[in-house]
Amino acid sequence: QVQLVESGGGVVQPGRSLRLSCAASGFTLRGYAMQWVRQAPGKGLEWVAVILYDGSDEYYADSVKGRFTISRDDSKNTVFLQMNSLRTDDTAVYYCARPAGFGDHLPYYFDSWGQGSLVTVSS
Amino acid sequence: DIQMTQSPSALSASVGDRVTITCRASQSITNWLAWYQQKPGKAPNLLIYQASSLESGVPSRFSGGGSGTEFTLTISSLQPDDFATYYCQQYNSYPGTFGQGTKVEIK
Repeated sequence: QVQLVESGGGVVQPGRSLRLSCAASGFTLRGYAMQWVRQAPGKGLEWVAVILYDGSDEYYADSVKGRFTISRDDSKNTVFLQMNSLRTDDTAVYYCARPAGFGDHLPYYFDSWGQGSLVTVSS
Repeated sequence: DIQMTQSPSALSASVGDRVTITCRASQSITNWLAWYQQKPGKAPNLLIYQASSLESGVPSRFSGGGSGTEFTLTISSLQPDDFATYYCQQYNSYPGTFGQGTKVEIK
């Protein structure tokens, strides 16, 4: 059974950092271009970042470029999102998502999502 | 980046109604479009991919259509479990942008 479990969320002051983890089980992370999607309170879904299946490249939303870094440790079946210089508008539930496709550089829709991790940026 | 625009933003409907939601892309995405359903406090759930392919386990009252820049999600006969927010997402290119969502409420 495919499962994604996010952790590391919490309350943080503006300008500080936080690192989210997404632990995968029921499948091998290797070969998937794992992604993060966030949802601010009462708002819609916003795509955040992707790391390609082989770790060869990463893409980011303009709103987080230069502040957030996505990484992966396939040996631990885990994806990370390092969030620096956090702002109040980064407050959101952060979801880890698995694409339906495997082993190439093409974008795909998401067939599995984690339960989400709440990040609150507030002074 | 490709912009996705959904309409309407919200709608009220009754059980048994036929409901259609529209999603427009700012440029052609061929048929690389997915639809998700999200209920409060839950992660999104995949309904439709490649514009019109029904995800396994999703009731057949859900259907998708369109190509190029205009797409639709139709619920043929609205059921109590269908009251939720629906999002389209393009996956023609990164970033995989979402529409702003359509909230389906009980009339």
